[in-house]
Amino acid sequence: SQTIHQWPATLVQPVGSPLSLECTVEGTSNPNLYWYRQAAGRGLQLLFYSVGIGQISSEVPQNLSASRPQDRQFILSSKKLLLSDSGFYLCAWRKGNTEAFFGQGTRLTVV
Amino acid sequence: GQSLEQPSEVTAVEGAIVQINCTYQTSGFYGLSWYQQHDGGAPTFLSYNALDGLEETGRFSSFLSRSDSYGYLLLQELQMKDSASYFCAVRDQGGTASKLTFGTGTRLQVTL
Repeated sequence: SQTIHQWPATLVQPVGSPLSLECTVEGTSNPNLYWYRQAAGRGLQLLFYSVGIGQISSEVPQNLSASRPQDRQFILSSKKLLLSDSGFYLCAWRKGNTEAFFGQGTRLTVV
Repeated sequence: GQSLEQPSEVTAVEGAIVQINCTYQTSGFYGLSWYQQHDGGAPTFLSYNALDGLEETGRFSSFLSRSDSYGYLLLQELQMKDSASYFCAVRDQGGTASKLTFGTGTRLQVTL
């Protein structure tokens, strides 16, 4: 069966510090991978998606970047965090006509 | 651009029926999905409509009208555990490069 792992679960970082959130998928190959951000009490904003290794599409210009160094690994990064980067970050995967499966999320607080 | 609108909050009594609406304006449309998210948790899939009409899955049903760019999620025999946020999501195309764009979410509060 397929599983998706996302870590860390919570993170408190100072303004200006770097960020690296990792997401890995097991049990499938060549999935579509997604990063979403959710502000408190708000909807899910699509940040990045990837259809294959090294292929990244950015939906919203911002302080973040994404990379897909391996087929089942998706990384969200920032060189310098802003206060506005705080939120709940969710990684998800899809393949073919399946629904999206989400990781448990990372709650990031920038202080 | 992509725009999906939902009511922000809905309150209903345990055992009742509630309908959560979703209207969308998207550059591409292939299907409409619904997801449930409990506080602090990950969204989980509930239902999907690619064609007009009603899809039923247990206590949950979802409806789509492509001509009206409109869909809804119907929850019957509400239970306290149904208190959560519900999101509609549009899949923009049928190919492998499709992406999901989510609505603003509706917070459902089930009361006694």
